[in-house]
Order: sequence, then C-alpha cells, then structure tokens
Amino acid sequence: DVLMTQTPVSLPVSLGGQVSISCRSSQSLVHSDGNTYLHWYLQKPGQSPQLLIYRVSNRFSGVPDRFSGSGSGTDFTLKISRVEPEDLGVYYCLQSTHFPLTFGSGTKLEIK
Amino acid sequence: QVTLKESGPGILQPSQTLSLTCTFSGFSLSTYGMGVGWIRQPSGKGLEWLANIWWDDDKYYNPSLKNRLTISKDTSNNQAFLKITNVDTADTATYYCARIDYYRYWGQGVMVTVSS
Repeated sequence: DVLMTQTPVSLPVSLGGQVSISCRSSQSLVHSDGNTYLHWYLQKPGQSPQLLIYRVSNRFSGVPDRFSGSGSGTDFTLKISRVEPEDLGVYYCLQSTHFPLTFGSGTKLEIK
Repeated sequence: QVTLKESGPGILQPSQTLSLTCTFSGFSLSTYGMGVGWIRQPSGKGLEWLANIWWDDDKYYNPSLKNRLTISKDTSNNQAFLKITNVDTADTATYYCARIDYYRYWGQGVMVTVSS
C-alpha cells in the first residue's frame, strides 16, 4: 500500500495568515496515463469531506483561489492564504493512483 | 445537481453482516466512466477507502478487509451497495459513499455501531 505521510498533525493559524500542509507518498503518484492523482479535502466539524484540489493543483468548482496545490512525484503541498474562519477543520490528502486508495492521516487547522 | 445518501442498520451485533445502501441522483452508473466508492471513518479518526464500483461493473476492494467486502449496484434504481461480513467492534464508523471522479461528491454519511 502507498503510505501517505501528512504533516503537521495540528496547525495553529491566525486569521488572515498563510499556512502550508505537506503530503508525502511512499512511492511516485504518477499514473501510467501520465496524470498524478493526488487530491486534497477539507472536513469541517460534523460534515463530510469536501473536495478542494484535484490532481495536485486543480481547484474544484467554487473553491476560492486562496487555496493552491503544488508538487510532483512523491512530494505535495497545499497552501492556504488569507485564512478565514470557514477554513477551519481537518485537511486530508488522498492518492488514487494506486489501489488500494490511501488517505493522509489529516491536519487539523485551528485558530492560534 | 448531484446528491448521494447512505442508509444502513444503525446498530448490529458482532459476526453479523452489515448492509449499506447508497442512493444517488444527478448521475447514472450506466454512464461511461462513472463509479461510486465507499469510505469509512471511525469517530475522531481518519478516512479509510473500502471499495469502488464502476459503470462496467468493475470492482476494486481494500485488501486490508480480507475478502469481507462485496460491492454491487442497481443501475435502474440509482443505488450502490456495500456488504461487510463478520463485523466486529472495529467496524464501528461513519460510512460514506462518494462519486469516484476525484470523490468530488459525498453523501452525508451513516453511523454504524457494532455492539453486543
């Protein structure tokens, strides 16, 4: 199985600030079709996860441009700028290049 | 508008079989490329992918559940199903279904408790 190592576990932030979350995979996430299937989700308290970024750097419909994804191969980053109250929750990365699909363990974004 | 909703028994006893239903709208599992997946989350913990089923009835399972999983679909009624046999307390979780194109649409989840 592909191990997804997500850091940090907890991320205190001031509103209006900027943060980065890292997700590293135990093997390359480049699929044989040339795409990299690494996605980012936010799970707000009491809610289902919601897609933010798909295939490394593509924002899902309606996601503010404060969210950006980058990376390649085994090393990926989600950046959030100008953090707002509605950004708080747990962020997960997911790889869907290899079966079984695997999630990172989550990063809790909370107010400093 | 795409929606998904999970349903299940709520509570069941160890060794029983858990049967879950995902009822969806806004897309069809007869459409090329479409699929539904199941993911679960124990309370306060992370997400675990369980299984996917595609429009052509192709299926993938998480081998960590050791052949306890069966995923199926009813295309006419816009439903997908997941069965987990021989449950124990470790299967207590919220179970989600999601459309598999980047898991961009999720259901609200259904809580399942395994307890004697």
